[in-house]
Amino acid sequence: RKEVEQDPGPFNVPEGATVAFNCTYSNSASQSFFWYRQDCRKEPKLLMSVYSSGNEDGRFTAQLNRASQYISLLIRDSKLSDSATYLCVSPPGNTGKLIFGQGTTLQVKP
Amino acid sequence: GAGVSQSPSNKVTEKGKDVELRCDPISGHTALYWYRQSLGQGLEFLIYFQGNSAPDKSGLPSDRFSAERTGGSVSTLTIQRTQQEDSAVYLCASSQGTSGSRGNIQYFGAGTRLSVL
Repeated sequence: RKEVEQDPGPFNVPEGATVAFNCTYSNSASQSFFWYRQDCRKEPKLLMSVYSSGNEDGRFTAQLNRASQYISLLIRDSKLSDSATYLCVSPPGNTGKLIFGQGTTLQVKP
Repeated sequence: GAGVSQSPSNKVTEKGKDVELRCDPISGHTALYWYRQSLGQGLEFLIYFQGNSAPDKSGLPSDRFSAERTGGSVSTLTIQRTQQEDSAVYLCASSQGTSGSRGNIQYFGAGTRLSVL
């Protein structure tokens, strides 16, 4: 089993839709998680951090379920500019390195 | 500097040649990381530095790969006798620290796109 797993998609949604991605992790010792966004042929950029049960930033909400070992990302009122690949990321303990999921691709259509 | 800087942005080389990739982290960041991303794939961890030492080299694919960091700042990733399967985007990231707190949020450079012919 991979340490961090995501559904690669693609998720194709119309503008204004609400879309949710799930990510499962295997290391129960992981304390914090991140969602990064990666546009085509660009570097990953931090979208949100998740340190406790969840985090909300405008149209974006991340939730952490430690019992089931998954993190979700909810995007409300999707915009065309939200089209990207969303990477779920877990640092395994305090080792420093990040373990990336394979990413979930979102395409928002007009 | 304002962000993580990597050079060159693109590198085309012939199979069997050696290449050096450079990373300049954000000023003051003590931790530096190298990742590799092959076409259509996720990011693969290679190595990270805390200061000038590398506590975790577990991701280096073979002994053809090595990295060093000097002065707690610039890092160089060297690939010897390049192979076609080494073709990928090599990404560098830096963070203030490596703890599980906000200190380990990693900021990425734009990457070096390596093509081995």
